[in-house]
Amino acid sequence: QKEVEQNSGPLSVPEGAIASLNCTYSDRGSQSFFWYRQYSGKSPELIMFIYSNGDKEDGRFTAQLNKASQYVSLLIRDSQPSDSATYLCAVRGKSGNTPLVFGKGTRLSVIA
Amino acid sequence: DAGITQSPRYKITETGRQVTLMCHQTWSHSYMFWYRQDLGHGLRLIYYSAAADITDKGEVPDGYVVSRSKTENFPLTLESATRSQTSVYFCASRPVGTERYEQYFGPGTRLTVT
Repeated sequence: QKEVEQNSGPLSVPEGAIASLNCTYSDRGSQSFFWYRQYSGKSPELIMFIYSNGDKEDGRFTAQLNKASQYVSLLIRDSQPSDSATYLCAVRGKSGNTPLVFGKGTRLSVIA
Repeated sequence: DAGITQSPRYKITETGRQVTLMCHQTWSHSYMFWYRQDLGHGLRLIYYSAAADITDKGEVPDGYVVSRSKTENFPLTLESATRSQTSVYFCASRPVGTERYEQYFGPGTRLTVT
């Protein structure tokens, strides 16, 4: 059973701080890693994708991948109240055509 | 560009009834997926389809039936609804190709079984 683990939170950070979200996965052959954001009552939307070891930056978001340690993280710089949501980590296995396996999500609350 | 739509958005049904949730996408994506989302369980895959007439079970397929006669449609049927199937159901799709492709989600259907 392929597993993706996340701390359920809630993670509370003050406005302007850095929010750090972590995710570990069990399938060492996993190749692709995604971070989705889900607002309450809405569907998940992709915010970051990472494929190679290291960091990938997009605006205030940075995804970090360490395949040897089997973890992927998401940093949100200058957190805003609008970032308050549940963040889902998703992992795709070695075959590019396998479905994503999702973690249970971490609820982030940014306090103004 | 409608993208991916689901209907109905809200449904209340009684235990034992059959109910079908519809999913339609306008992108001609090869892959389509059905997930359910419950508190404490996150998103769990029910069934997925790689193309028309090709379907496969996910993590929690029991009690559900799918079909895919056309690329754009992927209906999910609960043959005899149970209270444990009360959930939010999300349909998703993505194109075939490299593993870099994300899955795009529909708006969801909130199903209540009484």
